[in-house]
Amino acid sequence: NAGVTQTPKFQVLKTGQSMTLQCAQDMNHNSMYWYRQDPGMGLRLIYYSASEGTTDKGEVPNGYNVSRLNKREFSLRLESAAPSQTSVYFCASSEMGHNEQFFGPGTRLTVL
Amino acid sequence: AQKVTQAQTEISVVEKEDVTLDCVYETRDTTYYLFWYKQPPSGELVFLIRRNSFDEQNEISGRYSWNFQKSTSSFNFTITASQVVDSAVYFCALPKNYGGSQGNLIFGKGTKLSVKP
Repeated sequence: NAGVTQTPKFQVLKTGQSMTLQCAQDMNHNSMYWYRQDPGMGLRLIYYSASEGTTDKGEVPNGYNVSRLNKREFSLRLESAAPSQTSVYFCASSEMGHNEQFFGPGTRLTVL
Repeated sequence: AQKVTQAQTEISVVEKEDVTLDCVYETRDTTYYLFWYKQPPSGELVFLIRRNSFDEQNEISGRYSWNFQKSTSSFNFTITASQVVDSAVYFCALPKNYGGSQGNLIFGKGTKLSVKP
């Protein structure tokens, strides 16, 4: 099992460009999450999907959209990237809400 | 509101020393889970332990042990005989809403542990 996979691993964007971060899990988990990690801030939740077909905002959703394409895949889209979105993005999944979450390797995004 | 505080920003020890990482939490839930994660220099997040609030027994796994005290809202993590490979950032986390089972974790800001040879 690959666990949680994310693409790309690294990305550099110019202000105003758009991109989609892809995430997939092969553990048949119901819940999936997107976090961002910034120095000194820990991890903060952007969006989550408690189950296939549902998505909800987390702590810092502004500037992002998500799609739960199917049970396996949960994508994060930046419509118009801003330098404040420079961060490391982690996708995670869990069987149910209160179970442990398993994280992908992260995407390091720089917006110039 | 749910909150996790890791007051120690950085700790530096010499190999073979014991080290304790502190975690203090706030929650309105009567039943909840607590988690510890490790983030080594390579950047991935590794799940270490999940503890149910019903169970206050200490957990031991090899050189790792966890002390959960509901009375003081603390869930501390001790590494015995630390090794260089233990160098990482360690995060304590609490689900935002157990009752709703939404699962979004509230993370502390992490403690960076450096173990020197």
